Amino acid sequence: DQQVKQNSPSLSVQEGRISILNCDYTNSMFDYFLWYKKYPAEGPTFLISISSIKDKNEDGRFTVFLNKSAKHLSLHIVPSQPGDSAVYFCAASSGGGADGLTFGKGTHLIIQP
Amino acid sequence: GAGVSQTPSNKVTEKGKYVELRCDPISGHTALYWYRQSLGQGPEFLIYFQGTGAADDSGLPNDRFFAVRPEGSVSTLKIQRTERGDSAVYLCASSPRPLGDTQYFGPGTRLTVL
Repeated sequence: DQQVKQNSPSLSVQEGRISILNCDYTNSMFDYFLWYKKYPAEGPTFLISISSIKDKNEDGRFTVFLNKSAKHLSLHIVPSQPGDSAVYFCAASSGGGADGLTFGKGTHLIIQP
Repeated sequence: GAGVSQTPSNKVTEKGKYVELRCDPISGHTALYWYRQSLGQGPEFLIYFQGTGAADDSGLPNDRFFAVRPEGSVSTLKIQRTERGDSAVYLCASSPRPLGDTQYFGPGTRLTVL
């Protein structure tokens, strides 16, 4: 049973517009959430994280929103740039981030010029 | 500074053989994690070390898989009697302290079992 779900395998967005990537989770013990970006033949690169005590965290063009009651988080990228084209993984852990991460299957974001 | 490094980058072996995959974490990072990523999937947790000891090995799929970190730095993932289903990218990550901290990933080792 998948505990972290990214239901959109791919997403195409025009350059300059907002990209919104979604993630749902089922395990109520998760208390720390992260987004990673991955290019082919490279390891995942950390983007942004959020603790369950917050509902929003912002870092430059990237903002993560957490809705605990809905067990849903989203990553907003604005404005989208060509270099943002990659696979984005949502990940979650319990134990304040100390445990191994549980990942979704990823969303392939394509930024159209 | 240097990131997480993994060797080899690619490993091709035959079914039934033994393989070792190495991970060099970021200097000073106390926590080290191993993951496995199959095609079309997200990384799947295998094992987590805090210092020299395995704090959580619940993700190891069976007793053919074993990992060590004898001096609290470099770690080796060992797979005995490899099977074709073991083919995947094996990722290593490290973090500076156990609680509430980001895991930084290496480039991975692509293992192919023929």
